[in-house]
Amino acid sequence: DIQLTQSPSSLSASVGDRVTITCRASQSISIHLNWYQQKPGKAPELLIHAASNLQSGLPSRFSGSGSGTDFTLTISSLQPEDFATYYCQQSYTTPTFGQGTKVEIK
Amino acid sequence: EVQVLESGGVLVQPGGSLRLSCAVSGFTFSSHTMNWVRQAPGKGLEWVSGISGSGDRTYYADSVKGRFTISRDNSKNTLYVEMNSLRAEDTAVYYCAKGISTSSTFDHWGQGTLVTVSS
Repeated sequence: DIQLTQSPSSLSASVGDRVTITCRASQSISIHLNWYQQKPGKAPELLIHAASNLQSGLPSRFSGSGSGTDFTLTISSLQPEDFATYYCQQSYTTPTFGQGTKVEIK
Repeated sequence: EVQVLESGGVLVQPGGSLRLSCAVSGFTFSSHTMNWVRQAPGKGLEWVSGISGSGDRTYYADSVKGRFTISRDNSKNTLYVEMNSLRAEDTAVYYCAKGISTSSTFDHWGQGTLVTVSS
């Protein structure tokens, strides 16, 4: 199975901060990388698919980049509703998820 | 509007069996892969199983292979997973997730159903 390693595992940030989360795959997955947001007690929500495609209806402060083995999710200006856990997931082969990155309020 | 609703989660003893269901609406069910993804308490997401739109191809995580069986009834717009030989480590919230077309990118999720395996 392809392993996905996210960093950091958690971070503290303030409203308005720029936040970057990285996801590294154990082998090349082209652009078959997705990002999800999960809030406590809720189901995950798809944010970004195919590495850089923002899901319809979501705010443009979320962006994704990367290809091959290294990927990034960026939140350009953190909003109160963005405090959540973020997961990367590869759809290149049998699906696997990263371990998650918890974004907390500083 | 796409809707996804899981049911069937309960407390079951180790070694027991359970069937979860997922009823969907708002899209052409037979045109999409469907999946089960689980989340143990306080842990991350784990893909469990997937099935093609027609139901002729099924896929399983190693952790459940031989114990879980995924199926679908396209006439009822419903996804199932039959879970046998349940273990404590199967305790989790089980989510039903719709794939974008034939891919394993999950664009709609249900609210989840809790399965607890304990004596």
